[in-house]
Amino acid sequence: AQSVSQHNHHVILSEAASLELGCNYSYGGTVNLFWYVQYPGQHLQLLLKYFSGDPLVKGIKGFEAEFIKSKFSFNLRKPSVQWSDTAEYFCAATGFQKLVFGTGTRLLVSP
Amino acid sequence: DAGVTQSPTHLIKTRGQHVTLRCSPISGHKSVSWYQQVLGQGPQFIFQYYEKEERGRGNFPDRFSARQFPNYSSELNVNALLLGDSALYLCASSLDRPVEAFFGQGTRLTVV
Repeated sequence: AQSVSQHNHHVILSEAASLELGCNYSYGGTVNLFWYVQYPGQHLQLLLKYFSGDPLVKGIKGFEAEFIKSKFSFNLRKPSVQWSDTAEYFCAATGFQKLVFGTGTRLLVSP
Repeated sequence: DAGVTQSPTHLIKTRGQHVTLRCSPISGHKSVSWYQQVLGQGPQFIFQYYEKEERGRGNFPDRFSARQFPNYSSELNVNALLLGDSALYLCASSLDRPVEAFFGQGTRLTVV
């Protein structure tokens, strides 16, 4: 069965700290991977995506993610977080028809 | 640019009632997908439509149905509402396959 798991449900960081959110997927065949962000009161927005090629993917707002096929992982990173990064982050995967989401990680960045 | 628009934004219904949620995709997008997001969880896939045909269905009861119109807008219908149907319902549009989906603000449905 297709599944996505996110290990950290809540993360609290101080501004300028580094961020890494874990994501593992279980998928047969070709998989496309995504990180979405949901800021308070706003809609889901795409942070970055991986389809193929360079496993290190750079997205918006300084975020990046690394696809490690052998570990079935697609972890999200940011070297220095800001207060405005406070949001919920979702990892998602798709083969063809649907996006399968993880349960999300709530990130709180304290100023 | 107009993004994905959903209506209404908020809705309160009583158990046993019926509800219709609406979605207008981004201009030029032919695929619409519906997701249910319960508090504290990630969105769960309900349906995908492409060119007015159902392409995928998630693990939801038959009380849930949807359709897509010739202008690619879509409706999600839920009959015989249960308290557990209370959730944020998200619509996402994409060019064809939901490889890169753009989400609307959602409709917050509360069943009392």
